[in-house]
Amino acid sequence: AQSVAQPEDQVNVAEGNPLTVKCTYSVSGNPYLFWYVQYPNRGLQFLLKYITGDNLVKGSYGFEAEFNKSQTSFHLKKPSALVSDSALYFCAVRDPSTSGTYKYIFGTGTRLKVLA
Amino acid sequence: SAVISQKPSRDICQRGTSLTIQCQVDSQVTMMFWYRQQPGQSLTLIATANQGSEATYESGFVIDKFPISRPNLTFSTLTVSNMSPEDSSIYLCSCEYRGRITEAFFGQGTRLTVV
Repeated sequence: AQSVAQPEDQVNVAEGNPLTVKCTYSVSGNPYLFWYVQYPNRGLQFLLKYITGDNLVKGSYGFEAEFNKSQTSFHLKKPSALVSDSALYFCAVRDPSTSGTYKYIFGTGTRLKVLA
Repeated sequence: SAVISQKPSRDICQRGTSLTIQCQVDSQVTMMFWYRQQPGQSLTLIATANQGSEATYESGFVIDKFPISRPNLTFSTLTVSNMSPEDSSIYLCSCEYRGRITEAFFGQGTRLTVV
């Protein structure tokens, strides 16, 4: 069965420090992987995706993520955190072997708190 | 990209009543979805809204409780029927373009409180 795990409910980081939000997945085929961010009282906003190709994916607002097939991980990273990055982050996977369903499997979310 | 307008943004409703949430997209999209999100929690897919036909519901969700309409490619509604406090949640509309591996677009959500 497909699944996504975000092992940390919350991540605290000081402003200016690098941040990492972890995500691991389990799918039967090659996954399509996504990161979304949700600010308070807002819907989800797309940050980046991995479909194929270069394992390092760059996205919006200076975020990047690295696809690691052997570790089945897709961790979100940013070299220098901003207070404005504080939000709820969701990792999501779509298994292309289940074509036609177009369903996302979302992780449980990680709350990022950047401290000034 | 697609811009989604979802309304109302929030509502407080009496138990036993129904609320209809509207989702309007600024372009024709193939796929539209409705999610439920408990505050601070992950998203749970309620159903896929199919244009011109009955929605496809996920396990645990039924049409009588969550009737969905999608009369055209840019508009959908979700009704939460006979509400109870357990229905208090955030409801999100989402859309995608089939045939392209693109990201999903989300409305800002409807925060529903049932009292």
